[in-house]
Parts: sequence; C-alpha cells; structure tokens
Amino acid sequence: EVQLVESGGGLVQPGGSLRLPCAASGFTFSDYYMDWVRQAPEKGLEWVGRIRNKANRYTTEYAASVKGRFTISRDDSKNSLYLQMNSLRTEDTAVYYCARDLGARGGDYWGQGTLVTVSP
Amino acid sequence: DIQMTQSPSSLSASVGDRVTITCRASQGVRNDLGWYQQKPGKAPKRLIYAASSLESGVPSRFSGSGSGTEFTLTISSLQPEDFATYYCLQHNSYPFTFGQGTRLEIK
Repeated sequence: EVQLVESGGGLVQPGGSLRLPCAASGFTFSDYYMDWVRQAPEKGLEWVGRIRNKANRYTTEYAASVKGRFTISRDDSKNSLYLQMNSLRTEDTAVYYCARDLGARGGDYWGQGTLVTVSP
Repeated sequence: DIQMTQSPSSLSASVGDRVTITCRASQGVRNDLGWYQQKPGKAPKRLIYAASSLESGVPSRFSGSGSGTEFTLTISSLQPEDFATYYCLQHNSYPFTFGQGTRLEIK
C-alpha cells in the first residue's frame, strides 16, 4: 500500500524557517517525481513545487510565490522528501501536502497534510 | 502561467441531479488535466486523469471530457457522498495550476 506521511508542521514566526519531511512507503520512491501542494485556510489548492528523480538529475520546479525561499530535496536512501521553507510569511500559513507525481497515470497519492502556521 | 478558470464557484443541487463543472485554460494544455474531489479536512482525491480517464475505483457516474482549453466534469446522478469541493489541475506546463474550486452543496 502506497503511503505518504508528512510531519514537521507547527507555529513559526514571520521570517523564520521550517523543514517538512514526507516519508514514503509502498512504492519504489526513487523512480518517481514528487510534488508539494498547499492549501491556505478556507482557500483553494496551490501547487508549490516538484522534484524530479535521479534519472532527471533531481531537478526542481517552483511556484513563483515560493521561488527563492523554499527548497525541495529528497533522500532516496531514506525514501524521504523534504520541503525547506525559509523567510516565512503570514501568507505561507497552510496545510502542506506531499503527493506522488501529480498528473501521472499510475495512480494518485497524497499525504494527510501538515499544518504550518506563520504568526507573530 | 496558465490560468484555470473554473465555473461555477458554487452549486446547489439535489440527490439524483446531473451536474456539470467547467474548467477553461488560458492556453492549450492538451489533455494534461485532472479532476479532484476534496472533502473537509481530507486530502484531495483524483477522480479523472488525462481529461477523460476514470481513476480506478471511482464510480462511473463521474466522467470527464475536453481537450485543449475547455474541460468538463459531469456527475450523472448525484449521490449524498458527492457533496464536496471539486478542483481541476493542469499539469501541462510549469507552474502547475489548479482551478479555484467548485463547492457542491445540497439543495
């Protein structure tokens, strides 16, 4: 069974940093692109970014709203995905989801989400 | 960036009704579009991929159509468990973009 489990959410002050891990199991993690998606309270879904697999040199893509502040990385040896968030703003307050290869035809898998609150 | 304009933003309907939700892309996305259902406090769940392919395990009352810039999600006969928020997602080009959502409520 495919499972994605995010952790690391919490309360952080504006300007602060936070790192969100996403633990993957039930599939060959190293084969897949991985995505982060967020959802501000009572708002819609926003794609945050993607990291490709080793065959595609672990290259990344980001939404303009987070580019230069957020970094996506992965450790295939640990079946883990990460979202490093720096220079956090109040508008980054959201539930953050990791997802396996959005758009791929082999099934659609998301974690349960972790809440990040940026507040003084 | 490709803008996804979803309509309506909210919809009231009754059990048994047929409903249609539309997403319009600001430029062509071929068939690189999915439809998602989200219930409160839960992660989104994909219903349709590649614009018109039904995800495994999803009831056949859900269907998708379209290509290029115009897409529709149709629910042929609403069931109580279908009341939720629906989103489209284009994954043709970066940044990926979601529609703003359609909240489907019980009339």
